[in-house]
Amino acid sequence: AQSVTQPDIHITVSEGASLELRCNYSYGATPYLFWYVQSPGQGLQLLLKYFSGDTLVQGIKGFEAEFKRSQSSFNLRKPSVHWSDAAEYFCAVGPRSLNNDMRFGAGTRLTVKP
Amino acid sequence: ETGVTQSPTHLIKTRGQQVTLRCSSQSGHNTVSWYQQALGQGPQFIFQYYREEENGRGNFPPRFSGLQFPNYSSELNVNALELDDSALYLCASRGGTSGSITDTQYFGPGTRLTVL
Repeated sequence: AQSVTQPDIHITVSEGASLELRCNYSYGATPYLFWYVQSPGQGLQLLLKYFSGDTLVQGIKGFEAEFKRSQSSFNLRKPSVHWSDAAEYFCAVGPRSLNNDMRFGAGTRLTVKP
Repeated sequence: ETGVTQSPTHLIKTRGQQVTLRCSSQSGHNTVSWYQQALGQGPQFIFQYYREEENGRGNFPPRFSGLQFPNYSSELNVNALELDDSALYLCASRGGTSGSITDTQYFGPGTRLTVL
């Protein structure tokens, strides 16, 4: 069965520190992979996506993610966190078909300390 | 802002009632999906409409139904509301020629439904 696990419910980092949010997936084939961010009172915004090719994906707001097939992981990273990055982050997987049965993880809440 | 709007912003209903949520997709987008996001959880896929036809559905009962109109706006209807239906309901739209998952999906801000 398809599933997405985000092991960290809540992470706190200091402003300017580096960040890594973990995502592990279980899927029968190579999925499409996504990271979204959700700020309070807002919908989800796509940070980046992986379909194929280079396993290191660059996204918006200085984020990047690396697809590691051997570890079934798609971790999100940022070298220097800004206070405005405080939000909820969701990893998602999707099938290579049209019906958009995207599966989301439970999310990781990021707090940024001044 | 994504251009995807949802109404109402908040809604309070009682058990057994019916509710209709609305979504206006981004201009030119022919595919709309609905998600339920319970408190503290990630969004769960309810269903997807492509050019007015449902072409994908998650693990939700038939009392969750939808419509997509010729202008690609959409409605989510939930009958016989239950307490567990309390959640944030998100609408998402994308364009492209086939509604492919490779097209970037844009989410609206959601409708917060509370069932008492």
